[in-house]
Amino acid sequence: AQSVTQLDSQVPVFEEAPVELRCNYSSSVSVYLFWYVQYPNQGLQLLLKYLSGSTLVKGINGFEAEFNKSQTSFHLRKPSVHISDTAEYFCAVSDQVSGKSTFGDGTTLTVKP
Amino acid sequence: ETGVTQTPRHLVMGMTNKKSLKCEQHLGHNAMYWYKQSAKKPLELMFVYSLEERVENNSVPSRFSPECPNSSHLFLHLHTLQPEDSALYLCASSQDRSAGNTIYFGEGSWLTVV
Repeated sequence: AQSVTQLDSQVPVFEEAPVELRCNYSSSVSVYLFWYVQYPNQGLQLLLKYLSGSTLVKGINGFEAEFNKSQTSFHLRKPSVHISDTAEYFCAVSDQVSGKSTFGDGTTLTVKP
Repeated sequence: ETGVTQTPRHLVMGMTNKKSLKCEQHLGHNAMYWYKQSAKKPLELMFVYSLEERVENNSVPSRFSPECPNSSHLFLHLHTLQPEDSALYLCASSQDRSAGNTIYFGEGSWLTVV
């Protein structure tokens, strides 16, 4: 069994401020880790994913995430956000054996001018 | 531009109607999915198809009936729905069901049951 907890349901920040969206997971097997973004009235799209190698993963739109195995976390960061980053962000894990994916509840990032 | 196209984008139906949601993927993928996204609820996986065969059905009521006629098309047939079925229905695809594959989502079909 696996689960994903996104620790903040809403994160309001001002434009050009840094942001961190937190994600913890639990799983009895090894997993791959993903962050997806959903802009208003759109489907989800991949921001970045961790499969192996360097624990710091860079994605699109200046986002990055760090895999921390000991803390079972995969927090998403951006050093300076834009208004256009306002969206819903989903953390997800995928069971390396079965391929089953589990999504978190989502974090709403609102960037204010 | 998305590689996964869903129609219609918006649908209003009565509880006694029969309607269908359509999904087409242009990515050459072998796996397709239906998800339900409701307000204040986590994303719910409804059905999974791999090579046109249904491989997962997550306790979805029989009033939702999926159909996958070929690897590019996926339908969700709707019949005698309830108001609580109102939600955004997302179609998605991936290369196959391997764990590291990215899931590509359509823009969704907003369903309102009245």
